[in-house]
Amino acid sequence: DTEVTQTPKHLVMGMTNKKSLKCEQHMGHRAMYWYKQKAKKPPELMFVYSYEKLSINESVPSRFSPECPNSSLLNLHLHALQPEDSALYLCASSQVSSGRAAEQFFGPGTRLTVL
Amino acid sequence: DAKTTQPPSMDCAEGRAANLPCNHSTISGNEYVYWYRQIHSQGPQYIIHGLKNNETNEMASLIITEDRKSSTLILPHATLRDTAVYYCIVRGRANDYKLSFGAGTTVTVRA
Repeated sequence: DTEVTQTPKHLVMGMTNKKSLKCEQHMGHRAMYWYKQKAKKPPELMFVYSYEKLSINESVPSRFSPECPNSSLLNLHLHALQPEDSALYLCASSQVSSGRAAEQFFGPGTRLTVL
Repeated sequence: DAKTTQPPSMDCAEGRAANLPCNHSTISGNEYVYWYRQIHSQGPQYIIHGLKNNETNEMASLIITEDRKSSTLILPHATLRDTAVYYCIVRGRANDYKLSFGAGTTVTVRA
């Protein structure tokens, strides 16, 4: 299995809602990532987990709360979002390499719309 | 990580080779050149990487100049499915998880 899966594919939520995005991989990768991509812009890194521990938080607002319950799963909990948070949220995974930086495998993304 | 410069867009005829340039004049000795692409409404896809030697895989070839200040991604026989945004990224040490995407090159393959 060489896929990263993400659910849901599309999500519409109000500013007072709480929702979660899910990501799963079964490639044995021990690094997992969340990226945010606004329309016509490149992806921007939000969080990195390495061995199920948060290793990078790119100064993301606390209304985004990541969670890595095990080595195959990555969640992004959303609460009190703003309309400007509407974007494509991408999950990725990679090996944790001791040599060169490992290539990342991306999921198809969740298209989030905040009303 | 060293910054990269790519042309914003380019067209290519179906069946012809597509040559995508990338400048990375501040690359350091331990930094690799990576290429990813993103087809519309999909996640980015890894294509190829290299350090200083030319590399080839089933998707593409990567030519890196001897001074390593620039590189070219070659899609040997472009198809309509190769229409995408192509990102050239320079990455350093193993624990540098950050993949910094620039604006990329929008490649349109025309029939």
